[in-house]
Amino acid sequence: NAGVTQTPKFQVLKTGQSMTLQCAQDMNHEYMSWYRQDPGMGLRLIHYSVGAGITDQGEVPNGYNVSRSTTEDFPLRLLSAAPSQTSVYFCASSYRSSGTEAFFGQGTRLTVV
Amino acid sequence: DAKTTQPPSMDCAEGRAANLPCNHSTISGNEYVYWYRQIHSQGPQYIIHGLKNNETNEMASLIITEDRKSSTLILPHATLRDTAVYYCIVGSQAAGNKLTFGGGTRVLVKP
Repeated sequence: NAGVTQTPKFQVLKTGQSMTLQCAQDMNHEYMSWYRQDPGMGLRLIHYSVGAGITDQGEVPNGYNVSRSTTEDFPLRLLSAAPSQTSVYFCASSYRSSGTEAFFGQGTRLTVV
Repeated sequence: DAKTTQPPSMDCAEGRAANLPCNHSTISGNEYVYWYRQIHSQGPQYIIHGLKNNETNEMASLIITEDRKSSTLILPHATLRDTAVYYCIVGSQAAGNKLTFGGGTRVLVKP
């Protein structure tokens, strides 16, 4: 099993550019989520999904869009990148049943200049 | 989701047990206590979780007080590779397994 795979690992964008961060999992997990982590801080939830076709906002959703057309994939789109979106982005997945662990990808380090 | 309070940092001697406290006084009946750790800037790694009973696995033990308002993560024999930020999180599956990360405890294991 590959677990949770995030691509790319590193990305530099210019202000105003758009891009999609990819996240894929091969564990047939219902739940998937995106977090961002700014330097010296804990992770903050951006968006999450409880199954294909269902998404909802987390703590810091502004500037990001998501969709969940398949169980395996949960891409995060930045429509118009801003320097405030410079951060490390983590994708996570887990089963729906109670008290299960979440698996995290290795992160995408994004710099917006 | 209930909030948690953890000390910002602690040191531990290599080979000794590390006891990491966490307060979660507003935890509700269906919320689990989870522990994750993050080594350098890697993705968080699951350690252990529990609802009411104490739990043990190959990595650690979790002790939850009877009133569930606090818990302690125990790393029985800390190694240098256990140096990391440890996060105590409470949450329920009903909330989509959303994890609310606080500041965590930065643990430094010293030789």
